[in-house]
Amino acid sequence: GPKVLQIPSHQIIDMGQMVTLNCDPVSNHLYFYWYKQILGQQMEFLVNFYNGKVMEKSKLFKDQFSVERPDGSYFTLKIQPTALEDSAVYFCASSHRGGAEQFFGPGTRLTVL
Amino acid sequence: GDQVEQSPSALSLHEGTGSALRCNFTTTMRAVQWFRKNSRGSLINLFYLASGTKENGRLKSAFDSKERYSTLHIRDAQLEDSGTYFCAADSGYNKLTFGKGTVLLVSP
Repeated sequence: GPKVLQIPSHQIIDMGQMVTLNCDPVSNHLYFYWYKQILGQQMEFLVNFYNGKVMEKSKLFKDQFSVERPDGSYFTLKIQPTALEDSAVYFCASSHRGGAEQFFGPGTRLTVL
Repeated sequence: GDQVEQSPSALSLHEGTGSALRCNFTTTMRAVQWFRKNSRGSLINLFYLASGTKENGRLKSAFDSKERYSTLHIRDAQLEDSGTYFCAADSGYNKLTFGKGTVLLVSP
Protein backbone atom coordinates (compact mmCIF):
# COMPACT_ATOMS: atom_id res chain seq x y z
CA GLY A 1 0.00 0.00 0.00
CA PRO A 2 0.95 3.67 -0.01
CA LYS A 3 3.95 4.42 2.15
CA VAL A 4 4.70 7.35 4.39
CA LEU A 5 8.30 7.71 5.52
CA GLN A 6 9.57 9.42 8.65
CA ILE A 7 13.07 10.59 9.46
CA PRO A 8 14.64 10.01 11.92
CA SER A 9 13.22 6.92 13.58
CA HIS A 10 14.67 7.98 16.92
CA GLN A 11 15.85 11.30 18.27
CA ILE A 12 17.31 12.10 21.67
CA ILE A 13 17.78 15.72 22.62
CA ASP A 14 18.26 17.89 25.66
CA MET A 15 15.37 19.90 27.03
CA GLY A 16 15.28 23.37 25.56
CA GLN A 17 16.81 22.39 22.24
CA MET A 18 15.00 22.59 18.94
CA VAL A 19 14.02 19.47 17.04
CA THR A 20 12.61 18.95 13.56
CA LEU A 21 10.77 15.77 12.67
CA ASN A 22 10.53 14.98 8.98
CA CYS A 23 7.79 13.25 7.06
CA ASP A 24 7.75 12.17 3.43
CA PRO A 25 4.04 11.73 2.64
CA VAL A 26 2.48 9.67 -0.13
CA SER A 27 3.33 11.43 -3.38
CA ASN A 28 -0.12 12.49 -4.60
CA HIS A 29 -1.58 13.25 -1.19
CA LEU A 30 -2.66 16.75 -0.32
CA TYR A 31 -3.56 16.56 3.38
CA PHE A 32 -0.99 15.99 6.07
CA TYR A 33 -1.30 15.21 9.75
CA TRP A 34 0.73 14.80 12.91
CA TYR A 35 -0.32 12.61 15.82
CA LYS A 36 1.35 12.10 19.18
CA GLN A 37 1.45 8.96 21.28
CA ILE A 38 2.86 9.06 24.78
CA LEU A 39 4.02 5.68 26.05
CA GLY A 40 1.06 3.62 27.23
CA GLN A 41 -1.52 6.10 26.01
CA GLN A 42 -3.75 6.48 22.99
CA MET A 43 -2.62 8.09 19.77
CA GLU A 44 -3.84 11.69 19.74
CA PHE A 45 -4.33 14.18 16.96
CA LEU A 46 -2.04 17.21 16.90
CA VAL A 47 -2.61 19.09 13.67
CA ASN A 48 -3.67 18.83 10.06
CA PHE A 49 -2.28 20.81 7.16
CA TYR A 50 -3.52 21.58 3.67
CA ASN A 51 -2.48 23.97 0.95
CA GLY A 52 0.27 25.46 3.05
CA LYS A 53 -1.92 26.14 6.07
CA VAL A 54 -2.85 24.64 9.38
CA MET A 55 -6.52 23.72 9.10
CA GLU A 56 -7.12 22.40 12.59
CA LYS A 57 -5.02 21.84 15.68
CA SER A 58 -5.67 20.29 19.06
CA LYS A 59 -4.87 21.64 22.49
CA LEU A 60 -1.75 19.43 22.42
CA PHE A 61 -0.36 21.57 19.62
CA LYS A 62 1.44 24.06 21.83
CA ASP A 63 2.80 27.44 20.77
CA GLN A 64 6.24 25.84 20.64
CA PHE A 65 5.08 23.60 17.78
CA SER A 66 5.04 24.56 14.14
CA VAL A 67 4.51 22.72 10.87
CA GLU A 68 5.39 23.45 7.29
CA ARG A 69 5.97 21.84 3.94
CA PRO A 70 8.21 24.15 1.94
CA ASP A 71 8.01 23.63 -1.82
CA GLY A 72 6.65 20.10 -1.72
CA SER A 73 9.57 18.74 0.26
CA TYR A 74 9.27 17.10 3.66
CA PHE A 75 6.29 17.89 5.86
CA THR A 76 7.94 18.90 9.11
CA LEU A 77 7.03 19.27 12.74
CA LYS A 78 9.32 21.62 14.62
CA ILE A 79 9.37 21.93 18.39
CA GLN A 80 11.24 24.92 19.78
CA PRO A 81 12.05 24.79 22.62
CA THR A 82 11.43 21.21 23.64
CA ALA A 83 10.12 20.20 27.07
CA LEU A 84 10.25 16.92 28.96
CA GLU A 85 6.57 16.27 28.26
CA ASP A 86 7.26 16.32 24.53
CA SER A 87 8.80 12.87 24.83
CA ALA A 88 6.57 10.62 22.75
CA VAL A 89 6.28 8.87 19.43
CA TYR A 90 5.16 11.25 16.71
CA PHE A 91 3.31 9.81 13.75
CA CYS A 92 2.86 11.54 10.45
CA ALA A 93 -0.04 10.69 8.16
CA SER A 94 -1.31 11.80 4.80
CA SER A 95 -4.49 11.46 2.78
CA HIS A 96 -5.43 12.21 -0.80
CA ARG A 97 -8.17 14.60 0.27
CA GLY A 98 -9.87 15.76 3.42
CA GLY A 99 -11.82 13.03 5.13
CA ALA A 100 -10.23 10.28 3.05
CA GLU A 101 -8.28 7.30 4.29
CA GLN A 102 -5.17 8.28 6.18
CA PHE A 103 -1.89 6.43 5.80
CA PHE A 104 0.61 6.53 8.61
CA GLY A 105 4.36 6.58 8.82
CA PRO A 106 6.29 4.35 11.23
CA GLY A 107 6.74 7.14 13.76
CA THR A 108 9.65 9.05 15.25
CA ARG A 109 10.44 8.29 18.85
CA LEU A 110 11.47 11.55 20.51
CA THR A 111 13.18 11.48 23.88
CA VAL A 112 13.74 14.78 25.64
CA LEU A 113 16.24 14.61 28.48
CA GLY B 1 -14.79 11.92 27.71
CA ASP B 2 -13.50 9.47 25.16
CA GLN B 3 -15.29 9.64 21.86
CA VAL B 4 -14.17 6.16 20.83
CA GLU B 5 -14.64 3.20 23.15
CA GLN B 6 -12.98 0.05 21.91
CA SER B 7 -13.59 -3.43 23.29
CA PRO B 8 -12.38 -5.83 24.34
CA SER B 9 -9.02 -4.55 25.51
CA ALA B 10 -7.56 -8.04 25.14
CA LEU B 11 -8.68 -11.15 23.30
CA SER B 12 -7.34 -14.69 23.16
CA LEU B 13 -8.30 -17.00 20.31
CA HIS B 14 -7.33 -20.49 19.28
CA GLU B 15 -6.27 -21.00 15.70
CA GLY B 16 -9.24 -21.50 13.43
CA THR B 17 -11.74 -19.69 15.62
CA GLY B 18 -13.10 -16.19 15.25
CA SER B 19 -14.43 -13.24 17.14
CA ALA B 20 -15.34 -9.59 16.83
CA LEU B 21 -13.88 -6.33 18.00
CA ARG B 22 -16.15 -3.37 18.50
CA CYS B 23 -15.88 0.39 18.70
CA ASN B 24 -18.69 2.52 20.05
CA PHE B 25 -18.76 6.23 19.38
CA THR B 26 -20.18 8.89 21.66
CA THR B 27 -20.89 11.17 18.72
CA THR B 28 -21.75 10.78 15.06
CA MET B 29 -18.70 9.82 13.03
CA ARG B 30 -18.28 10.33 9.30
CA ALA B 31 -15.89 7.45 8.70
CA VAL B 32 -13.91 4.81 10.51
CA GLN B 33 -10.56 3.16 9.91
CA TRP B 34 -9.22 -0.09 11.36
CA PHE B 35 -5.51 -0.71 11.76
CA ARG B 36 -3.19 -3.41 12.97
CA LYS B 37 0.08 -2.44 14.57
CA ASN B 38 2.91 -4.60 13.29
CA SER B 39 5.94 -5.79 15.20
CA ARG B 40 7.81 -2.60 14.31
CA GLY B 41 5.05 -0.41 15.66
CA SER B 42 3.80 0.70 12.27
CA LEU B 43 0.09 1.02 11.59
CA ILE B 44 -1.14 -1.23 8.82
CA ASN B 45 -4.38 -0.09 7.18
CA LEU B 46 -7.04 -2.78 7.27
CA PHE B 47 -10.24 -0.94 6.38
CA TYR B 48 -11.66 2.48 5.66
CA LEU B 49 -15.44 2.74 5.77
CA ALA B 50 -17.81 5.65 5.38
CA SER B 51 -20.76 3.25 5.63
CA GLY B 52 -21.77 -0.37 5.19
CA THR B 53 -19.45 -3.34 5.25
CA LYS B 54 -16.19 -4.41 3.64
CA GLU B 55 -14.49 -7.74 3.55
CA ASN B 56 -10.88 -8.67 2.92
CA GLY B 57 -9.90 -12.28 3.27
CA ARG B 58 -10.65 -13.44 6.78
CA LEU B 59 -11.47 -9.93 7.98
CA LYS B 60 -14.77 -8.15 7.70
CA SER B 61 -15.71 -4.73 8.99
CA ALA B 62 -18.97 -2.87 9.38
CA PHE B 63 -19.76 0.73 10.20
CA ASP B 64 -23.11 2.15 11.25
CA SER B 65 -22.89 5.90 11.63
CA LYS B 66 -26.45 6.28 12.86
CA GLU B 67 -26.09 3.62 15.55
CA ARG B 68 -22.59 4.89 16.34
CA TYR B 69 -20.52 1.74 16.16
CA SER B 70 -18.12 -0.22 14.04
CA THR B 71 -17.02 -3.83 14.20
CA LEU B 72 -14.09 -5.87 12.96
CA HIS B 73 -14.74 -9.59 12.57
CA ILE B 74 -11.90 -12.07 12.36
CA ARG B 75 -12.62 -15.62 11.21
CA ASP B 76 -10.35 -18.65 11.02
CA ALA B 77 -7.74 -16.83 13.10
CA GLN B 78 -4.10 -17.60 12.33
CA LEU B 79 -1.03 -17.17 14.50
CA GLU B 80 0.14 -14.25 12.38
CA ASP B 81 -3.06 -12.34 13.21
CA SER B 82 -1.71 -11.74 16.70
CA GLY B 83 -1.08 -8.08 17.41
CA THR B 84 -2.78 -4.90 18.49
CA TYR B 85 -5.79 -3.67 16.56
CA PHE B 86 -7.07 -0.10 16.60
CA CYS B 87 -10.14 1.63 15.36
CA ALA B 88 -10.04 5.33 14.62
CA ALA B 89 -12.94 7.54 13.64
CA ASP B 90 -13.30 10.86 11.86
CA SER B 91 -16.02 13.12 13.23
CA GLY B 92 -15.80 15.32 10.17
CA TYR B 93 -12.94 17.62 10.98
CA ASN B 94 -10.22 15.66 9.20
CA LYS B 95 -8.77 14.26 12.39
CA LEU B 96 -8.89 10.72 13.66
CA THR B 97 -9.80 9.83 17.23
CA PHE B 98 -8.30 6.50 18.18
CA GLY B 99 -9.59 3.74 20.42
CA LYS B 100 -7.31 2.31 23.08
CA GLY B 101 -6.67 -0.84 21.09
CA THR B 102 -7.32 -4.56 21.38
CA VAL B 103 -4.43 -6.90 22.01
CA LEU B 104 -5.17 -10.12 20.14
CA LEU B 105 -3.30 -13.30 20.92
CA VAL B 106 -3.86 -16.30 18.68
CA SER B 107 -2.55 -19.56 20.07
CA PRO B 108 -2.23 -23.05 18.58
